[in-house]
Amino acid sequence: SQQGEEDPQALSIQEGENATMNCSYKTSINNLQWYRQNSGRGLVHLILIRSNEREKHSGRLRVTLDTSKKSSSLLITASRAADTASYFCATGTGANSKLTFGKGITLSVRP
Amino acid sequence: DSGVTQTPKHLITATGQRVTLRCSPRSGDLSVYWYQQSLDQGLQFLIQYYNGEERAKGNILERFSAQQFPDLHSELNLSSLELGDSALYFCASSVDVSGGQETQYFGPGTRLLVL
Repeated sequence: SQQGEEDPQALSIQEGENATMNCSYKTSINNLQWYRQNSGRGLVHLILIRSNEREKHSGRLRVTLDTSKKSSSLLITASRAADTASYFCATGTGANSKLTFGKGITLSVRP
Repeated sequence: DSGVTQTPKHLITATGQRVTLRCSPRSGDLSVYWYQQSLDQGLQFLIQYYNGEERAKGNILERFSAQQFPDLHSELNLSSLELGDSALYFCASSVDVSGGQETQYFGPGTRLLVL
């Protein structure tokens, strides 16, 4: 069952614009991770944010976490055509290490 | 390249058959996870092994089994295959010294097609 629900399901933007993707979840978490997947290929880890953190940056990526609202957002600044991919949020809960994934967001960046 | 390797990349087989998927974790990682990605179910956790022992089970069918060997590589065995088992199967690994707080690194996946 999906814990994370990403929003929107699909996003199309122009190169150079910022892309914001949101993820909501239902239960308490230990951490939340964002992954990218290019066209049915492997999952590439983007960023991990722990439940006691509010914001993290990595290059053009900025992730926020609001545990009171059970939501996270991924911001990609100055998007590039190469950012075109599916993006997934995944939550880690309790002492169990498994990740529960959302259905993903399809991002298209038009050159 | 995540450092996690999976073989084979593609597998085509018939219903009723049995296949074995193989995963080698990143050097030093003790935990191995298996996930299934299908169009209708999305990405689902199947099973986790930590240092040779089963640690957690998810939505894994009884027809599926896994193990982790002393060299830490893992195999996922799928038997009595059905059309609905067609999916991408991912292996992931992590160091897992703080109870699930580390990044999971995913392999490139094995694409299974059951005809």
